Amino acid sequence: AQSVTQLGSHVSVSEGALVLLRCNYSSSVPPYLFWYVQYPNQGLQLLLKYTSAATLVKGINGFEAEFKKSETSFHLTKPSAHMSDAAEYFCAVSGGSGYSTLTFGKGTMLLVSP
Amino acid sequence: DTGVSQNPRHKITKRGQNVTFRCDPISEHNRLYWYRQTLGQGPEFLTYFQNEAQLEKSRLLSDRFSAERPKGSFSTLEIQRTEQGDSAMYLCASSPPGLAGVKHEQFFGPGTRLTVL
Repeated sequence: AQSVTQLGSHVSVSEGALVLLRCNYSSSVPPYLFWYVQYPNQGLQLLLKYTSAATLVKGINGFEAEFKKSETSFHLTKPSAHMSDAAEYFCAVSGGSGYSTLTFGKGTMLLVSP
Repeated sequence: DTGVSQNPRHKITKRGQNVTFRCDPISEHNRLYWYRQTLGQGPEFLTYFQNEAQLEKSRLLSDRFSAERPKGSFSTLEIQRTEQGDSAMYLCASSPPGLAGVKHEQFFGPGTRLTVL
């Protein structure tokens, strides 16, 4: 069985500050890990993915994440927050079922203040 | 490539009615998934198709739910005798054939928001 834990349902930062969204996973097989962003009343957009290549993954809009097997973590970071980054972020894991279904965390709402 | 599309975007129905949602995946994608997202939660997996075959179903998919993908292209999700607890966003996603790193990447549609009164 797989699971994802996202620490903090809400994270508030000031514009220009570092963004850090935490994700820990549990998987009995080598995982594939994803971060998705969701704007209000919209579907999910893929930010970045880890598929067993480089452990530091760069995504769109300046986001990156580092896969740390020893810590079972895949935290999302961005050096400088933009007002447009305000959205809900979901971490997801796949690979355990033999197929490719995703198991999502509960999400973290990122609030950016001017 | 217009991405994954879903219709309708919004559906309001009365308890006990049947509803049907449609998903059109990206054209070359052979894998299609349905998820349900309730307020304040992440999406939860409902069911998965590879081509026209339904290969996996979640325990969330009660007997009132049925999904089809008759020709391996678009898919429909039907809910019979809707209940207020069915109110949620229903998301469809698709992924391409290929090596693991490719096939595990899912592209999501905008979702259908269902409200059961």
